[in-house]
Amino acid sequence: ETGVTQTPRHLVMGMTNKKSLKCEQHLGHNAMYWYKQSAKKPLELMFVYSLEERVENNSVPSRFSPECPNSSHLFLHLHTLQPEDSALYLCASSRASGSGANVLTFGAGSRLTVL
Amino acid sequence: DQQVKQNSPSLSVQEGRISILNCDYTNSMFDYFLWYKKYPAEGPTFLISISSIKDKNEDGRFTVFLNKSAKHLSLHIVPSQPGDSAVYFCAANLGGGSQGNLIFGKGTKLSVKP
Repeated sequence: ETGVTQTPRHLVMGMTNKKSLKCEQHLGHNAMYWYKQSAKKPLELMFVYSLEERVENNSVPSRFSPECPNSSHLFLHLHTLQPEDSALYLCASSRASGSGANVLTFGAGSRLTVL
Repeated sequence: DQQVKQNSPSLSVQEGRISILNCDYTNSMFDYFLWYKKYPAEGPTFLISISSIKDKNEDGRFTVFLNKSAKHLSLHIVPSQPGDSAVYFCAANLGGGSQGNLIFGKGTKLSVKP
């Protein structure tokens, strides 16, 4: 399988549940990202991992917890979410080569609904 | 405050005509600009980019123009095809080349009518 794969594609959870989103890339990239897309808002960068180390956390609430066990896998652990956290969560990866633009390859996203 | 703005939420164009999608930015430190296309139920896919030291980049039917003095860029699609109907996102690379983070606009939904 190639590209960036996200599972599950759809998730419905209650505010007290604990769930995880998974992302896998088969592109040999060395950086991975979580973005959030809410209705009528720009894509919001949540977390960046470069060489498996978190390099940025854009003031994301602690109820979102990322994990990057290796350069091919990225998780987003969800706990006690709020209804306003309902959104499309997009995973992306890129190769930081030191030149040119940072071209991200995105997965298809995980649509999260919090009841 | 938004650093990358796409002020038109939607655009409708006839097949065969030109589509022009606009984007404005506020940060003069952006070193690259990118356009992404997104179909429903799919992730955004990279379309074309331009360096801040260029004013034009062309790839087939897609051309991006950059006006640094106006902090404005545009994506031209000629000729437009029904398959181009999608949401187009403008993104700016916040320095550092390929290690810089991307700042996205809200997107413009393009509809190309047969």
